[in-house]
Amino acid sequence: ELKVEQNPLFLSMQEGKNYTIYCNYSTTSDRLYWYRQDPGKSLESLFVLLSNGAVKQEGRLMASLDTKARLSTLHITAAVHDLSATYFCAVQYNTDKLIFGTGTRLQVFP
Amino acid sequence: DTAVSQTPKYLVTQMGNDKSIKCEQNLGHDTMYWYKQDSKKFLKIMFSYNNKELIINETVPNRFSPKSPDKAHLNLHINSLELGDSAVYFCASSSRQLRGNEQFFGPGTRLTVL
Repeated sequence: ELKVEQNPLFLSMQEGKNYTIYCNYSTTSDRLYWYRQDPGKSLESLFVLLSNGAVKQEGRLMASLDTKARLSTLHITAAVHDLSATYFCAVQYNTDKLIFGTGTRLQVFP
Repeated sequence: DTAVSQTPKYLVTQMGNDKSIKCEQNLGHDTMYWYKQDSKKFLKIMFSYNNKELIINETVPNRFSPKSPDKAHLNLHINSLELGDSAVYFCASSSRQLRGNEQFFGPGTRLTVL
């Protein structure tokens, strides 16, 4: 069965700094999704990556997908406090099934 | 508002009781899902229906029974609740024809079993 690993699990970073969250998965898939979850809230879709080499950017976040390496990255540029949340990657397996990573809890401090 | 909605938002109950959670989506999607998020925030799929047909049935105790009366609704009934059932249950929906089958999540139902 597909396994999805994220690292780091916890990330504390200063405002204005850059950092990258990594998502590795164990079985071939060409569909990967990034979600954000605020404490006590639902999951908000951030990015849908549908092919090798896909890159999407929204504000200070940029996501990319390398299906050959089975790796996706979520890059944070010049972090601000509003980005504090838990970020999940999810990989599609067998058409409709999403396997979620463990999540990366991001805290941005002044 | 177009969305995925769930009721109730909170559910507190005693061990051994039976309870139901309801989900509705008005996004016109053809596939709906139930996920369980445990206390460590780990998310795992439980069930999925496509056009009212059960297509994903993970290793879940048979005390959990989903039902989809139509494409827009998916309910989850839980019999003989146990302490380990305490979690947040999320409903989601998607369309295989739209946005790469991107799943949209409901607000969640926090179930606490005492």
